[in-house]
Amino acid sequence: EAGVTQFPSHSVIEKGQTVTLRCDPISGHDNLYWYRRVMGKEIKFLLHFVKESKQDESGMPNNRFLAERTGGTYSTLKVQPAELEDSGVYFCASSQVAVGGGYTFGSGTRLTVV
Amino acid sequence: GNSVTQMEGPVTLSEEAFLTINCTYTATGYPSLFWYVQYPGEGLQLLLKATKADDKGSNKGFEATYRKETTSFHLEKGSVQVSDSAVYFCALTNTGFQKLVFGTGTRLLVSP
Repeated sequence: EAGVTQFPSHSVIEKGQTVTLRCDPISGHDNLYWYRRVMGKEIKFLLHFVKESKQDESGMPNNRFLAERTGGTYSTLKVQPAELEDSGVYFCASSQVAVGGGYTFGSGTRLTVV
Repeated sequence: GNSVTQMEGPVTLSEEAFLTINCTYTATGYPSLFWYVQYPGEGLQLLLKATKADDKGSNKGFEATYRKETTSFHLEKGSVQVSDSAVYFCALTNTGFQKLVFGTGTRLLVSP
């Protein structure tokens, strides 16, 4: 089966611009997660979708970040306007059931804000 | 709160050397523990896991034992290969929660 697909793989934008990251989960996986690794630090949870509903968005850093999952399939994470501290690698993961930790991760999107 | 502490890297070893990457955790309740690996240019892959005290997770020659008394989950491998060069992340999930809490990652470099 196809894995979790993220694109773009890399994005370089200027401070103040908008960027949209996309994640295509494994087909049939109801659970979709976004994580972020900033500046070589720990990977931090951003949010969790169950189908199209946000189950847990406690990790979203501020209201410049907007995540959607229309129709319960792919998800987008928009950053508007981007700030320098938003630079990092954004990972998406999906799972068929909400079993702790048993996810399949994508390769990540490396975002650089200059 | 829940947290994971890993040894800082990079860890540099010669091929066939013994590997230990230390991981300790702080958590309420009864967490499940994981090691994830990220090879260059790839996504995170689950390497092994343990869901209760004294469980040993193992995969690809790597092992880690869930030690509740020392709140540790150290990763070990008896003989590393160049292909093991990657970043290794220790992580936990806690009872009733689905999100992973990760450590900072440890880069392993294995030279021939």
